[in-house]
Amino acid sequence: AQSVTQLGSHVSVSEGALVLLRCNYSSSVPPYLFWYVQYPNQGLQLLLKYTSAATLVKGINGFEAEFKKSETSFHLTKPSAHMSDAAEYFCAVSNNFGNEKLTFGTGTRLTIIP
Amino acid sequence: DTGVSQNPRHKITKRGQNVTFRCDPISEHNRLYWYRQTLGQGPEFLTYFQNEAQLEKSRLLSDRFSAERPKGSFSTLEIQRTEQGDSAMYLCASSLARSQGGTGELFFGEGSRLTVL
Repeated sequence: AQSVTQLGSHVSVSEGALVLLRCNYSSSVPPYLFWYVQYPNQGLQLLLKYTSAATLVKGINGFEAEFKKSETSFHLTKPSAHMSDAAEYFCAVSNNFGNEKLTFGTGTRLTIIP
Repeated sequence: DTGVSQNPRHKITKRGQNVTFRCDPISEHNRLYWYRQTLGQGPEFLTYFQNEAQLEKSRLLSDRFSAERPKGSFSTLEIQRTEQGDSAMYLCASSLARSQGGTGELFFGEGSRLTVL
């Protein structure tokens, strides 16, 4: 079975500050890992994905994440927060064979302080 | 590519009524997924189709829930005898199988929000 744990259900950062959202995974097989963003009353938009190529993955809107097998982590970062980054962020895992079914974490709500 | 489309976007119903949601996936995608998301939680997997075949169902999918994808294109999710606990956002996603050149990514629709009074 696969799972992800997102540490911190709420994170607040000042505009211009570093954003760090934490995700740790558990998987018995090599995982695919994803970060999705969700704005209020909308669906999920893919930010970035790790699919066993480069361990440092760059996504949209200036976000990036690093896959660290030794720490079973896939933390999301952005050097400088913008007001438009305020949203809910979900980490998700799938296996690298079979179907693309995702198992999601419980999410982290990011608030940006002006 | 018009993306994944879901209808209706919002549905308010009384307890005990039946509701049906429709999902139109990206046209070339052969896999379709339904998820449920309650307030403050991540999406939870409900069921998955490859073409018209329903290949996996979660234990969350009680007997009151039924999903179909009759021609391997659009899908419907029906909830019979709705309960207040069914209130949630129902998300549909589609993908192209990796064996057919897919990227392993799910593409999500905007969701259908159900409120059961």
